[in-house]
Amino acid sequence: AQTVTQSQPEMSVQEAETVTLSCTYDTSESDYYLFWYKQPPSRQMILVIRQEAYKQQNATENRFSVNFQKAAKSFSLKISDSQLGDAAMYFCAYVRYSGGYQKVTFGIGTKLQVIP
Amino acid sequence: AAGVIQSPRHLIKEKRETATLKCYPIPRHDTVYWYQQGPGQDPQFLISFYEKMQSDKGSIPDRFSAQQFSDYHSELNMSSLELGDSALYFCASSLGVATSTDTQYFGPGTRLTVL
Repeated sequence: AQTVTQSQPEMSVQEAETVTLSCTYDTSESDYYLFWYKQPPSRQMILVIRQEAYKQQNATENRFSVNFQKAAKSFSLKISDSQLGDAAMYFCAYVRYSGGYQKVTFGIGTKLQVIP
Repeated sequence: AAGVIQSPRHLIKEKRETATLKCYPIPRHDTVYWYQQGPGQDPQFLISFYEKMQSDKGSIPDRFSAQQFSDYHSELNMSSLELGDSALYFCASSLGVATSTDTQYFGPGTRLTVL
């Protein structure tokens, strides 16, 4: 079974600074996808960024980028120029396809605090 | 852009009562997933549907049942509610299972409180 580990229960960053959230996973699959979801106090789950395992290039979405190390099974999220609105719970998610359907495994989350 | 709609947003029930949660996927999305998120926990997969057929099953109690209708909306029925069922229930939708580039988009969740 796949496992997703987020070893940082809480992180804090000064506004306008950069922070990196770590995520590691365990799998024997070669084809899969990785996501970061953000859950602000409203509890809405918001997609931040996705990465296809077959792509070597790291995904970027504006101030959000990932460092995907497939051999190390590591998928960290870097947030640049942190803003107050970035304060949220961040979940790393591993997605694979089984029998044509998605199976998602979430990490336990990292709570990010942004300090003004 | 239209998003996933869940109703109700908040629900309060007594123990042993029944609850029905509804999910309306993004237009043209034909796959629906249900998740349960307890306090301070990550979302746990319950069940999914593709083209009105159950496609996968996770840690869904036997007291719960779900279905997807012809208009692709889905309902999660929960009977004999227990205190431990208090959680945030998410629905997510995606477009088809044939494309592996699919992404699940989440609704705002239904917060169920069992007293």
